[in-house]
Amino acid sequence: SQTIHQWPATLVQPVGSPLSLECTVEGTSNPNLYWYRQAAGRGLQLLFYSIGIDQISSEVPQNLSASRPQDRQFILSSKKLLLSDSGFYLCAWTRDVSGANVLTFGAGSRLTVL
Amino acid sequence: AQSVTQLDSQVPVFEEAPVELRCNYSSSVSVYLFWYVQYPNQGLQLLLKYLSGSTLVKGINGFEAEFNKSQTSFHLRKPSVHISDTAEYFCAVTVISSGSARQLTFGSGTQLTVLP
Repeated sequence: SQTIHQWPATLVQPVGSPLSLECTVEGTSNPNLYWYRQAAGRGLQLLFYSIGIDQISSEVPQNLSASRPQDRQFILSSKKLLLSDSGFYLCAWTRDVSGANVLTFGAGSRLTVL
Repeated sequence: AQSVTQLDSQVPVFEEAPVELRCNYSSSVSVYLFWYVQYPNQGLQLLLKYLSGSTLVKGINGFEAEFNKSQTSFHLRKPSVHISDTAEYFCAVTVISSGSARQLTFGSGTQLTVLP
């Protein structure tokens, strides 16, 4: 069966420090991968999605970047964190490009920027 | 582009009472509809989905939803809730012609709190 892992689960970082959140999927190949951010009281905002290695699209301009160095690994990064980067970050995957596909989410990474 | 409105941000309800969480969408074309549930400090998991066929969709944990095309709604219901149903519920929509889940639009969520 397929599983998705995210780490770290929680992170407290000072403003201006770098960030690296990692997501890996097991039990499948060539997944479509997604990074979402969830702010308190708001829905999910899609940040990045990837259909393959080094194929990444950004949905919103921001202080963050994403990379996919391996087929089942998706990394969310920042060189210098802002206070506004605080939030709950969720990685997700789908099997293929059909809009009917269900997103399978990781457990999330809670980032607090102080 | 499609949009989703969850009309209630908070819904408190007593244990064993029925509940309805409302979801309305806006789209000029046919859509797929989803309900996801998020327990505290966890990711989202699928409750149910409507792709085609019967407009009454049954999901996990005793939840069901009815697709109403004329009212552009996809309300979630459960006849008798449990304490363990306390969670945040998200409605989501994507157009059928979309190329991937990147076109999925989420509502802002409804926090269901079941009271003893």
